Amino acid sequence: DTAVSQTPKYLVTQMGNDKSIKCEQNLGHDTMYWYKQDSKKFLKIMFSYNNKELIINETVPNRFSPKSPDKAHLNLHINSLELGDSAVYFCARGGGGYNEQFFGPGTRLTVL
Amino acid sequence: ELKVEQNPLFLSMQEGKNYTIYCNYSTTSDRLYWYRQDPGKSLESLFVLLSNGAVKQEGRLMASLDTKARLSTLHITAAVHDLSATYFCAVDTPPGANSKLTFGKGITLSVRP
Repeated sequence: DTAVSQTPKYLVTQMGNDKSIKCEQNLGHDTMYWYKQDSKKFLKIMFSYNNKELIINETVPNRFSPKSPDKAHLNLHINSLELGDSAVYFCARGGGGYNEQFFGPGTRLTVL
Repeated sequence: ELKVEQNPLFLSMQEGKNYTIYCNYSTTSDRLYWYRQDPGKSLESLFVLLSNGAVKQEGRLMASLDTKARLSTLHITAAVHDLSATYFCAVDTPPGANSKLTFGKGITLSVRP
């Protein structure tokens, strides 16, 4: 158990819609991340937050906006969804020593 | 830009035999991580390798790191079906607060009887 939860697990939506994915970690660690895994399983970091502050923003379109209301939560809001946004989105937390990261269960987003 | 290469991308293994898979990276780093992903599941942390010459073992898997060669190997002893999964290596750069993990494309292992 990585103590990282995400909701929803599956999200199917139409192009142009706005959607959010929620992430929570319950171990009080400072650092949280969002990753995108595409259909070829390629995994790439999107954002990292440390204690509610944005640290890494990896050339992600402005339509993606992370929000960290508190240390335990890092939500991902996506505006004007496009077909290419279809992927699995993983939230992760740090706290394993060095930069070891622990991943949540993932949210499979399908844009029709 | 840091490149992390894994090869082969797919490996069909026979039960009971030994295999080695590789992870190369293109820039200096002392820290390398191995993760396992089962189909439709999340990533599970397997090994954290923190220095040149580091070796970690867990069951039938042994990972090592050669930072001078920028190479990590994952050795599989007497493959069993339960090891079928995709294995990712990830490299940690740059050091400091902005450190991030860059992942390879993953190696999918399939163990056949």
